[in-house]
Amino acid sequence: DIQMTQSPSSLSASVGDTVTITCRASQNIGSDLNWFQQKPGKAPSLLLFAASSLQSGVPSRFSGSASGTDFTLTISSLQPEDFATYYCQQSYSTPLTFGGGTKVEIK
Amino acid sequence: QVQLVQSGADVKKPGASVKVSCKASGYTFTSYYIHWVRQAPGQGLEWMGEISPRGGGTTYAPKFQGRVTMARDTSTSTVYMELSSLKSEDTATYFCARRGGVTNGLDNWGPGTLVTVSS
Repeated sequence: DIQMTQSPSSLSASVGDTVTITCRASQNIGSDLNWFQQKPGKAPSLLLFAASSLQSGVPSRFSGSASGTDFTLTISSLQPEDFATYYCQQSYSTPLTFGGGTKVEIK
Repeated sequence: QVQLVQSGADVKKPGASVKVSCKASGYTFTSYYIHWVRQAPGQGLEWMGEISPRGGGTTYAPKFQGRVTMARDTSTSTVYMELSSLKSEDTATYFCARRGGVTNGLDNWGPGTLVTVSS
């Protein structure tokens, strides 16, 4: 199975900050990396697919990048509605696997 | 609009089976794979498997192989996930999700079904 190592597991930030979350794959997955946002009691929501493509309806302050097996989610100018947990997920091969999650909390 | 409606919460005893349904609407049911993902209380996301609504072909995560069965009913646009030999560790919210065509990401999710396993 492909292991997805996500960091940090949590972070505190203020409205207006730029935050960065990283995800490392245990082997090459090309750009088959997706990012999800999940709020308490809700289903996850797709933010980005193919490492850097924005899902329809997602604000442009969310962006993604890739370098080898390292992937980054950046949230520019954090908004109150962005406080949530974020997950990466590889769709390169089954079993699909998720990172452990990053909880973004209000400082 | 795309909607995935799941069956309601359920409580089962250890050793029993549970069957969760996921009814799709708002798109061509047979054109998109449906995946199942679960989340134990306070924990992360765990992929269980996928089913092709067109042909019924399935791929299961090795962890659940032999204990999970996914099926579909094209006449009602419904997908089912049955998990057997339940243990307390199977207490979780079970989500169905549609895999997008172009995106290849899980672009629409059901609200989740809480399954509690308790004696």
